[in-house]
Amino acid sequence: DIQMTQSPSLLSASVGDRVTLSCKASQNIYKYLNWYQQKLGEAPKLLIYYTNSLQTGIPSRFSGSGSGTDYTLTISSLQPEDVATYFCQQYNSWPTFGGGTKLELK
Amino acid sequence: QVQLKESGPGLVQPSQTLSLTCTVSGLSLTSNSVSWIRQPPGKGLEWMGVIWSNGGTDYNSAIKSRLSISRDTSKSQVFLKMNSLQTEDTAMYFCARNPTGSGFDYWGQGVMVTVSS
Repeated sequence: DIQMTQSPSLLSASVGDRVTLSCKASQNIYKYLNWYQQKLGEAPKLLIYYTNSLQTGIPSRFSGSGSGTDYTLTISSLQPEDVATYFCQQYNSWPTFGGGTKLELK
Repeated sequence: QVQLKESGPGLVQPSQTLSLTCTVSGLSLTSNSVSWIRQPPGKGLEWMGVIWSNGGTDYNSAIKSRLSISRDTSKSQVFLKMNSLQTEDTAMYFCARNPTGSGFDYWGQGVMVTVSS
């Protein structure tokens, strides 16, 4: 199985900050990488698919990048409603998820 | 609009079998694939398996021997059965649409399953 490692596990930032979350795969996943946002008590929501494609209805302040084994989710200007846990997920082989980054307001 | 909804028992005894149903609306199971994904309390997500639009299935190798996913297209339902449950199977269980080349784009609200005597 492909292991996905996210960093940091906890991130504190202020409203308006540019925030970067990282995800590293144990092998090349050829950009088959998705990002999800999960708020407390809710199901995950798909934000980004295939590394950098924005899911319909997701604000443009969210963007994704990366290649090979290293991927990034960026929030250009953090909003209060972005407080959540973020998961990456690869689908180069059977799906596996990262452990998550919990994003909180400073 | 597309909706998925999980249902099933909230409590299962150790060593027993878990049976869950995912009822979908707004999509056809003959042209959409559905996965089951679970999340232990306070932990990350684990993909369990998928039933493809053609009715074929694939499972997470870690639980393959205990898991079965099936469907009834006439009722728009997908079923999960997992046997020999242990306390570590306590989790929120989600079903989600699994389109090719994309992420899991529609999710159910989840059903919490506790394994305890």
